[in-house]
Amino acid sequence: QKEVEQDPGPLSVPEGAIVSLNCTYSNSAFQYFMWYRQYSRKGPELLMYTYSSGNKEDGRFTAQVDKSSKYISLFIRDSQPSDSATYLCAMSGGGGATNKLIFGTGTLLAVQP
Amino acid sequence: DAGVTQSPTHLIKTRGQQVTLRCSPKSGHDTVSWYQQALGQGPQFIFQYYEEEERQRGNFPDRFSGHQFPNYSSELNVNALLLGDSALYLCASSLATDTQYFGPGTRLTVL
Repeated sequence: QKEVEQDPGPLSVPEGAIVSLNCTYSNSAFQYFMWYRQYSRKGPELLMYTYSSGNKEDGRFTAQVDKSSKYISLFIRDSQPSDSATYLCAMSGGGGATNKLIFGTGTLLAVQP
Repeated sequence: DAGVTQSPTHLIKTRGQQVTLRCSPKSGHDTVSWYQQALGQGPQFIFQYYEEEERQRGNFPDRFSGHQFPNYSSELNVNALLLGDSALYLCASSLATDTQYFGPGTRLTVL
C-alpha cells in the first residue's frame, strides 16, 4: 500500500464548476500538508500549505485536512480553463515542511470552456 | 527575486554514461532537496542537502550522489545511467522548517 493515495483522473469539468480533489494517507506521523499545481512539463507550484487539521482558504482555493480520517481535500471554486493542470498532494512528518515530501500520483484536471 | 533555477533544461545521454544536474536555490534559502518524477507519477525524494551535508536520503542507489556548495547551490550526479533513470529531475529549496519551492526541472532522457 502506498503511503499517499490519489485518484489520477483525468477529471473533466465545465468552466465555473466547483472541483474537489482528494488524497488519503496511511502514515499518522504526517503533520504538514501541501497542494502543488503542475502544468505540463513544468515544475510543481505551491498552491496551499496547511499544518495539522483544519481548513485554509486562499481566493478560489480551499484546503481541508481531516487527520482523524487521514483525508485531505482541495476545493476550487469558479474553475477556469487556466486551472487545467495536474494537482499533486504532498505531505511530510516531523521536522517541518522542509522535511522530505511524500507525493500522491497527481490528478489531471481539465476545465472545459 | 529569482526563484529556483535548474540547468540544463533537457539532456540526452546513453546507457552507462554519467550526468551532472545543477540547481540554484531561491534567494535566502539554505536547504536543497532533489526529486525524481517519472512520467505520470508524483515526485520521489532522492536526498536533501543542508550546510553542505546530506541530511536525508530516499530509497535510491548509490549511483545517485550530490553536493552542496557554500553558496547553497547544489549538484545531482548519476553514474552508470540506466534506461529507467529517464525522468524529470526536480530541485526544491527551503529555509528552516518552511515549505519547499520547486524549480522547473531538468528532463533527462537515457537512450
